Formats: sequence, structure tokens, C-alpha cells
Amino acid sequence: QVQLQESGPGLVKPSETLSLTCTVSGGSISSYWWTWIRQPAGKGLEWIGRIYSSGSTNYNPSLKSRVTMSVDTSKNQFSLRLNSVTAADTAVYYCARGTSGLDYWGQGTLVTVS
Amino acid sequence: DIQMTQSPSSLSASVGDRVTITCQASQDIYIFLNWYQQKPGKSPTLLIYDASNLERGVPSRFSGSGSGTDFTFTISSLQPEDIATYYCQQYYNLFTFGPGTKVEIK
Repeated sequence: QVQLQESGPGLVKPSETLSLTCTVSGGSISSYWWTWIRQPAGKGLEWIGRIYSSGSTNYNPSLKSRVTMSVDTSKNQFSLRLNSVTAADTAVYYCARGTSGLDYWGQGTLVTVS
Repeated sequence: DIQMTQSPSSLSASVGDRVTITCQASQDIYIFLNWYQQKPGKSPTLLIYDASNLERGVPSRFSGSGSGTDFTFTISSLQPEDIATYYCQQYYNLFTFGPGTKVEIK
């Protein structure tokens, strides 16, 4: 059973960089797309972007200038960096697997910008 | 960018009722549409992929239909455990989620 677990600081200061890592267990990170999604409290889901195991990326155009994703196949991990954060970036951040449908999700991690 | 809309934004129905949610894309997305269920405090789960295919392990009371720009999600007989917010998601061009439909029991 594939499991995903997000990790990283729960509190980030405004103008600094949010950094999160998703660790994949129970399966290989190879040959899949890996996605980041976020959800502000009480609001809907926002797709941030995705990275393939080879390192190819696609980003949400509205966040593209601030987002960087990377993958470490040796550690079965992929990461998100979002720079110049503001209070509007406060949200639960999820990692997930999938090319079209997102079939495995992490439990989510709350990141507060303050 | 492809925009997704859903209606209604919320609904209240009785146990056993048939529930229908619609999702509309701002352009033709063929059948590149999925549906998710998100229960309070939980991560979303994939229910329907490619507009009408039931994900493995998902009860058959859930179904999806449509193509092009107009899609429908149906719960044939609402159960108490179906209380959740439901999201559509297109993947024709990157990913976009709809705003969600909150389903409550009357």
C-alpha cells in the first residue's frame, strides 16, 4: 500500500520560503507524476504543480513565478519550495500521486504564514 | 486556463435520496474529468476517473457521466457516510479543481 507523508515547518515568516517534503513509502517514486495541492481553511482545493520522477515539472500559472519542485529518487522523496510567502499562502498542503486521477494522498500538513 | 464551475455549492438531502451535482468546464475537456470526495478533516479520495469510471473499491451508488463541457455526478441513494464535499477536477490542460459541493443530510 502506497503511503505519502508531508513534512516541514508549520510556521513560516512572511517574505520567506516555504519548504515541504513528501516521503513515499510502500512503492517506488519512479515512473509517476507527483503533485502538490493546497487548501486554505474552509476553502477549496488549489493545484500547485507536479513533478515527474525524471524531474520534469508543470506548475500552476498563478504560482509559477514562486514555485520550485524537485525529486530525490534515492530517498523516494519529492519537495516543494514556495518563495516570498504571504498570509494568503496559509493552508493545508497535500502531496499526492497521479497522472490524471490522484489516487494516493498524504494526510496534509498545515503551514501558517505569520 | 480552464475554469471549472460546480452547482449547487451546497445541498441538503434525506437518506435514500438521489443526489446530483453538475460540473461545467470553460472549454471542451473531452472526458478528462475526475470526481473526489473530501470528508471533514480528511484528505480527498478519488471516486470517479475519466468522467464515468468508478475507482476500485468505491460503492456503486456513486456514478459519473458527461463529456465535453458538461458533467454530472450522482449518488443514487444518499447514505449518512456520504456527508462530504465533492470536487470535480479537469486534467485536459494541467489540473484545475471545481469549487466544491457540500452535501449534508436533511
